[in-house]
This record gives sequence, structure tokens and C-alpha cells, in this order.
Amino acid sequence: ELKVEQNPLFLSMQEGKNYTIYCNYSTTSDRLYWYRQDPGKSLESLFVLLSNGAVKQEGRLMASLDTKARLSTLHITAAVHDLSATYFCAVRGYGTSGSRLTFGEGTQLTVN
Amino acid sequence: DAMVIQNPRYQVTQFGKPVTLSCSQTLNHNVMYWYQQKSSQAPKLLFHYYDKDFNNEADTPDNFQSRRPNTSFCFLDIRSPGLGDAAMYLCATRTTTNEKLFFGSGTQLSVL
Repeated sequence: ELKVEQNPLFLSMQEGKNYTIYCNYSTTSDRLYWYRQDPGKSLESLFVLLSNGAVKQEGRLMASLDTKARLSTLHITAAVHDLSATYFCAVRGYGTSGSRLTFGEGTQLTVN
Repeated sequence: DAMVIQNPRYQVTQFGKPVTLSCSQTLNHNVMYWYQQKSSQAPKLLFHYYDKDFNNEADTPDNFQSRRPNTSFCFLDIRSPGLGDAAMYLCATRTTTNEKLFFGSGTQLSVL
């Protein structure tokens, strides 16, 4: 069974500081996704990482994937208040009914 | 313009009273998903469709059913809602050739 773990689950950051969210997963996968969710809202796609060593950047967010270590990171540079949200990673796994995403528990980020 | 539309945005039902949530899409995507997300938890996959092929997750309760009468529409039926079914229900779509999931705005279900 595919398990996806994020840490930290709660992150309080000061504006202007840098930090990293980690996403570990338990079985081989070549697709990893990062989503943002604001309170009471749906999920917004941030990044899709498709191969080992993939790195994508959008504004103050940068995501990377190491499939050998089964690890993805989401790096936040010079945090601003607008980045406060919950961030989920999700990994594509395979079951008897085809591919589907398994989500991590989410990291609730607050920028003070 | 909204591409994955969920109605209603908020739904209140009574304990044991059947309720139907709807999802429509203008993207002509052949894969559609229903996720359940309880407060402060990760989204959990209930079932998904590849075209008309229905794929149920092993741990989805029998109380949850789904219908997909055509490509554009998908329905989630909860036959006898319990208090534990109160959650945000998220519909998502994609094509088989594109990894990106498009989420609807969600339906927040309350059970009284």
C-alpha cells in the first residue's frame, strides 16, 4: 500500500524567511504532484513532477523530485503572507483499478 | 470560466436522508474522480471513472454510489448519510494523456 508522509504538518514562518516542506513516499512512483488549498476552498495545482531530478519553480515556490530517495521537497523562498495555505503532495500509485493519487496529510503553512 | 463545476457549493441534509452531489465538466476529460475530504485531513479517493468504467476503492462504504450518465456529468449519491459523512466532496477530472488534475470548487456537506 502506498503511503505518503509530509513534514512538518504545521509550519509557522516569518515573512522573508526560507523553509522547506518534505514529502516522502513508500513505493516506486514516477509522478508527484503539489497542490495548494486555501481554507474552505478546493485544491489548486502547483506542480507536476514527472521524472527523477525534475525541478520546477513558480514565483517563491520551487519543487524537486528524487525518485531514488522517494522524496520531494517544496522550497519556499522569502515567504510572504499570501503563501499562507495548506500544501499537499500527492503520489501516483497503481492498484487493481488503474492509477490514482494518494495524498499526504498536508502541511498547514502560516506566514506571520 | 469554471471548467469543473460542482453543485451545490454547500449542502445540508438530515441524518439518513439521501442526498446527491453533482459534478459537470466542460473539458471533455474521460477520467473523473470523487474525493472525500474531512476537516484538516487529506483528500481520500472514493471512486473514479475511466470513461464509463467504474472503479470503486476497496474501503469506500456501500452507502456511497456514483453515476456517470455521459462524459460531462458525474453524480455522487449518499444513500443514508451519517454524521461521519460530513465533509468536503471534491470532483476532479483529467485526460489519460495529461497528468494534471482539474478540481472543482467542492461541495461542503453538513449532516444534521
